[in-house]
Amino acid sequence: DVKVTQSSRYLVKRTGEKVFLECVQDMDHENMFWYRQDPGLGLRLIYFSYDVKMKEKGDIPEGYSVSREKKERFSLILESASTNQTSMYLCASSGSSYGYTFGSGTRLTVV
Amino acid sequence: GQNIDQPTEMTATEGAIVQINCTYQTSGFNGLFWYQQHAGEAPTFLSYNVLDGLEEKGRFSSFLSRSKGYSYLLLKELQMKDSASYLCAVNAGNNRKLIWGLGTSLAVNP
Repeated sequence: DVKVTQSSRYLVKRTGEKVFLECVQDMDHENMFWYRQDPGLGLRLIYFSYDVKMKEKGDIPEGYSVSREKKERFSLILESASTNQTSMYLCASSGSSYGYTFGSGTRLTVV
Repeated sequence: GQNIDQPTEMTATEGAIVQINCTYQTSGFNGLFWYQQHAGEAPTFLSYNVLDGLEEKGRFSSFLSRSKGYSYLLLKELQMKDSASYLCAVNAGNNRKLIWGLGTSLAVNP
């Protein structure tokens, strides 16, 4: 069964902490994405990557960075967590068909 | 600009049929997706339309009219477990990003 795995289901972090969210896929997909989802705002794209070491900004990249050192792994980094980054974070991957497979999500709370 | 519209909320009765509409205005078109998302969970793939017409998959069907920029998701024989949010998404060109609607929250009542 193909999978996108996110390292944590729930996280609680303090304001100012550096936070790492990890995502691994086993489908050999080229494309990987990080979204955040908030009530009433839908899915908002933070960053995406279409190849190893490649990254592109999405709609809301401020306060975030990403790393893709290997094809299967795409990491989202919150450089200095703030309370307005409390959200559900969803990782997704896609191949040639462009349909997305999502990870189970990480609910991050910044206190 | 790029825009996808779908109703915010719908309610229906168990055993009935419901149609969830999606209209889009995008700079290009390379396929439309429907996803289901239960509360607190990740979206899961339901259907993909790239040509006009109806695609049927069990109790779920999806229709596309490219000339009208319109799609619908049809759910038959509704079950309580169909209570979820339904997301419409469009691939607007040869890039890899999907443009997402805000989702339609469907409540199925007994």
